[in-house]
Amino acid sequence: DADVTQTPRNRITKTGKRIMLECSQTKGHDRMYWYRQDPGLGLRLIYYSFDVKDINKGEISDGYSVSRQAQAKFSLSLESAIPNQTALYFCATSDRRGELFFGEGSRLTVL
Amino acid sequence: QQPVQSPQAVILREGEDAVINCSSSKALYSVHWYRQKHGEAPVFLMILLKGGEQKGHDKISASFNEKKQQSSLYLTASQLSYSGTYFCGTGADKLIFGTGTRLQVFP
Repeated sequence: DADVTQTPRNRITKTGKRIMLECSQTKGHDRMYWYRQDPGLGLRLIYYSFDVKDINKGEISDGYSVSRQAQAKFSLSLESAIPNQTALYFCATSDRRGELFFGEGSRLTVL
Repeated sequence: QQPVQSPQAVILREGEDAVINCSSSKALYSVHWYRQKHGEAPVFLMILLKGGEQKGHDKISASFNEKKQQSSLYLTASQLSYSGTYFCGTGADKLIFGTGTRLQVFP
């Protein structure tokens, strides 16, 4: 089983719908992150959390929210999805050294 | 602010060398390098810390110039398995990634 698991792996939805992407990890790390990947733009940080009570905005947080339900779970929500949120989303965890461990990604298409 | 990577793309024959550069407008305390193969998640290669240089695995190494706020990734005697997109990441407590360098190695 993967150390960092994302669900769903693929999702197609319509404009205006609420979407939640879930991430769970078995690495025991405190730090968790959500990144978005678009062709030519690299990986951009949406939100990050250093423990259950800590939530921080990243580079592109507008239109997104997160919830850290437990040390092992970090969810990303799109309250009202729009087409330019079509992208590949990665969850990641890290230890204190900072090395990131990525999930397999969630491909979201907003029509 | 995103670090800037150059070149954007590199095409090599097996056995050739390549250098990928990463520069930042901010002071750097550490630089990370990751590789992402097509259809997969990024995978950690190495971390370079302020005041030090760390060699990675295989024939991939990197340098870190704090004064110039730059890091370079060196791929020596490239193999087919080196193909992918390479990202540098900077930041003290959260990683901000560059836009990536696509490397293709052909036989």
